[in-house]
Amino acid sequence: EAQVTQNPRYLITVTGKKLTVTCSQNMNHEYMSWYRQDPGLGLRQIYYSMNVEVTDKGDVPEGYKVSRKEKRNFPLILESPSPNQTSLYFCASSSDEKLFFGSGTQLSVL
Amino acid sequence: AQKITQTQPGMFVQEKEAVTLDCTYDTSDPSYGLFWYKQPSSGEMIFLIYQGSYDQQNATEGRYSLNFQKARKSANLVISASQLGDSAMYFCAMRGPYLRWPGYALNFGKGTSLLVTP
Repeated sequence: EAQVTQNPRYLITVTGKKLTVTCSQNMNHEYMSWYRQDPGLGLRQIYYSMNVEVTDKGDVPEGYKVSRKEKRNFPLILESPSPNQTSLYFCASSSDEKLFFGSGTQLSVL
Repeated sequence: AQKITQTQPGMFVQEKEAVTLDCTYDTSDPSYGLFWYKQPSSGEMIFLIYQGSYDQQNATEGRYSLNFQKARKSANLVISASQLGDSAMYFCAMRGPYLRWPGYALNFGKGTSLLVTP
């Protein structure tokens, strides 16, 4: 089954403790991206990648890192999480016009 | 700047009735794509339907159809024969051409909350 898999689904952590949210797709897509969803602000793009080893900043990249060492994986790294990064995060991928999202990661930073 | 507008914050529909969710957009780019996503209370973003700006026919996917009126810049979602499981937030989104659109990102509307009643 074609899908975008994110883990974990829920994560509670404390300020400053590094964490990684994993994202994997099995559709051989070149394009992958990360969004965060916040009430009143909608979905905003954090980072995106057009292909392996090609990444670039989206609208809200501060406090985040990404890497794209393999086509299928695009992890999101928070080196030193802060409470303002509490949000619902989505990974997405596409190879043409259509964009498919993972099931989301609800992150709470205390 | 590209903009997506969903003017209905919330809607009610009775089970088995059809419902139309409104979406208007603004772009100066001749090539773009329009999407609808469903977000149930569990939080995931479920892809429903896609319409390309050059597609001649309105997109359909099962009970979902997109009423695309290019001159009016509207892309309304029509759900036929509503079911209780259709209760969710619905987002309209737009995206420009690959490699010419910053980040190839989707611009989302603020969403419409749909409640289907028995």
